[in-house]
Parts: sequence; C-alpha cells; structure tokens
Amino acid sequence: QKEVEQDPGPLSVPEGAIVSLNCTYSNSAFQYFMWYRQYSRKGPELLMYTYSSGNKEDGRFTAQVDKSSKYISLFIRDSQPSDSATYLCASPEGTEAGTALIFGKGTTLSVSS
Amino acid sequence: NAGVTQTPKFRVLKTGQSMTLLCAQDMNHEYMYWYRQDPGMGLRLIHYSVGEGTTAKGEVPDGYNVSRLKKQNFLLGLESAAPSQTSVYFCASSSGTSTGELFFGEGSRLTVL
Repeated sequence: QKEVEQDPGPLSVPEGAIVSLNCTYSNSAFQYFMWYRQYSRKGPELLMYTYSSGNKEDGRFTAQVDKSSKYISLFIRDSQPSDSATYLCASPEGTEAGTALIFGKGTTLSVSS
Repeated sequence: NAGVTQTPKFRVLKTGQSMTLLCAQDMNHEYMYWYRQDPGMGLRLIHYSVGEGTTAKGEVPDGYNVSRLKKQNFLLGLESAAPSQTSVYFCASSSGTSTGELFFGEGSRLTVL
C-alpha cells in the first residue's frame, strides 16, 4: 500500500460547481502536504502546500489537513474549464532538506462549460 | 528562464537498446529527482541526488542508472530497455526549502517495443 492514497476518478463537474478532492496518508510522521496540478502532457506544478493541520486558502482553492484522521482535501470553488487537470497530493517522505515527495496517484478533473 | 529542461521529449526504443535521458536545470538547485509516471500508478521515484556527485535509489530503481557529474545536470540511463520501462519520465529539481516545492520538466515519453 502506498503511503499516500488518492481516488483517481475521473471526476466530471459543470462549470461553477464546488469540487472536493481527497487523499489519505498512512505515515503519522508526515508534516507537510502539497497539492500539485498537472495539465495534459505537462509536468506537475505546485498549487498549494500546508503544514500540519488546518486550512489554507488561496483564491478559489482551499487546502485542508486533518491529522487526526490522516485526511487531506483540496476544495475548488466556482470551478472553471481551466481547472481541468490532474491533481496530485504529495508529502515529503522524510524531514531532511530536499527529501523526495511521495505522490498520490492523482485525480483527473474535467470541468465542462 | 528555462527552469528544468528534459531531452529528448519523445523516443522509441527496441527491447535491449540503451539510451540516456538528460535533465538540465538553471536554478542552481542542489536536489534533483527522476520520477516515472504510469497510468494507475501515479508518480514513482526512480533515483535522486542531494548534490553534485551523489545519487541514491528511490522506490523503483531497477533497470536504471543515474549520474550527477555537474550540479545542473542529472542523467538517467537505461542499459537494456524493456517494455516495462515504457513510461513518461519526469525530472524535477528543488532548492530544499521547507515547502518542499519541486520544479518539474515537461516529461520525456519513452516507448519500448
């Protein structure tokens, strides 16, 4: 079992919908959590990161971490066709500087206009 | 500013052939990584480097070798390609900050027949 699990979808929603993307993780030592966005035939790009528990908001995007249940969420409000992409959750596998990230499998989102 | 550049972008190999993927970054990052991305498997770490002249194994290192002779370059080699190595390969680099942001190239699509 991977240390970061993510439902691959695909997920299809109409424009303007609220989208919820979710991951679970198994390693209690994980402290940082990231969401990467990957457009088709492109490399992933960092969308948001959070530390420990709580919420972090950036425009239409909100990242949420619940360490008690080992649950990571990304909410997208007023979704747009330009949000159509694969979203990957990730966490550093260690605490050392430059430690590699462990990624979930990614959830593919399609927003129709 | 080019960021992370991967060459070649596409390649078709026959089983048993060898090849090298080149990754170059111009951000003076200390840390570099090679991932492969397969449908249903997500991003998996092959090898990584924490500095010039260093390399280390990731989750799926078998069948690959790497070298980091210069800080800005990270090479991934396949000595005897197998169909199981058909994948999209992503190189990434990081400055090692606590946010853990990885900067990815656009990927190299490899098909082994």
